[in-house]
Amino acid sequence: AQSVTQLGSHVSVSEGALVLLRCNYSSSVPPYLFWYVQYPNQGLQLLLKYTSAATLVKGINGFEAEFKKSETSFHLTKPSAHMSDAAEYFCAVSPSYSSASKIIFGSGTRLSIRP
Amino acid sequence: EPEVTQTPSHQVTQMGQEVILRCVPISNHLYFYWYRQILGQKVEFLVSFYNNEISEKSEIFDDQFSVERPDGSNFTLKIRSTKLEDSAMYFCASSADRELGPGNQPQHFGDGTRLSIL
Repeated sequence: AQSVTQLGSHVSVSEGALVLLRCNYSSSVPPYLFWYVQYPNQGLQLLLKYTSAATLVKGINGFEAEFKKSETSFHLTKPSAHMSDAAEYFCAVSPSYSSASKIIFGSGTRLSIRP
Repeated sequence: EPEVTQTPSHQVTQMGQEVILRCVPISNHLYFYWYRQILGQKVEFLVSFYNNEISEKSEIFDDQFSVERPDGSNFTLKIRSTKLEDSAMYFCASSADRELGPGNQPQHFGDGTRLSIL
């Protein structure tokens, strides 16, 4: 069964510092991979998705993620953290190319930004 | 930008009672989903719905649960005989714009309904 593992339930960085949130996937076939963000008391918002078109995926709010098959990783990065980036981030995988496919979420990483 | 809307934002129900959570998916979307997130845990898939029938359901989605699209806009999740462990945030999502055609398209989530069972 497909799954994703997020390393680190809580990451804290200083404002202006690099953000790196780690995600490794388990899949026997090329998966569709996603990063979602959840701000307090809000729903899940799509940051970016990987669909095999390009290994480096750019998303909203300056985030990007790189698909590395050799490492089965899909880490999320942002060059310079902003206070507004504080939120819960979820890596997720879709096990099928079907539009009706469920999404399997990781356990989430809470990102805190220090002034 | 169109969005998925869920009502109510918070539902408090006595154990054993039935509850209906409501969702209005994005118009033109074809696929609908329910997920839940128990406090402090990961988001879990419950059920997907397409063409007026269930496409897939998880082992969580037992006979206690049912989904319905009673009209052209609403998508509901009914939980019968609620239990304390049903307390969670329930998210509705929709995907696949009819005009954009098939293929894996991202799911758009609502802000959720927090269900509290007393």
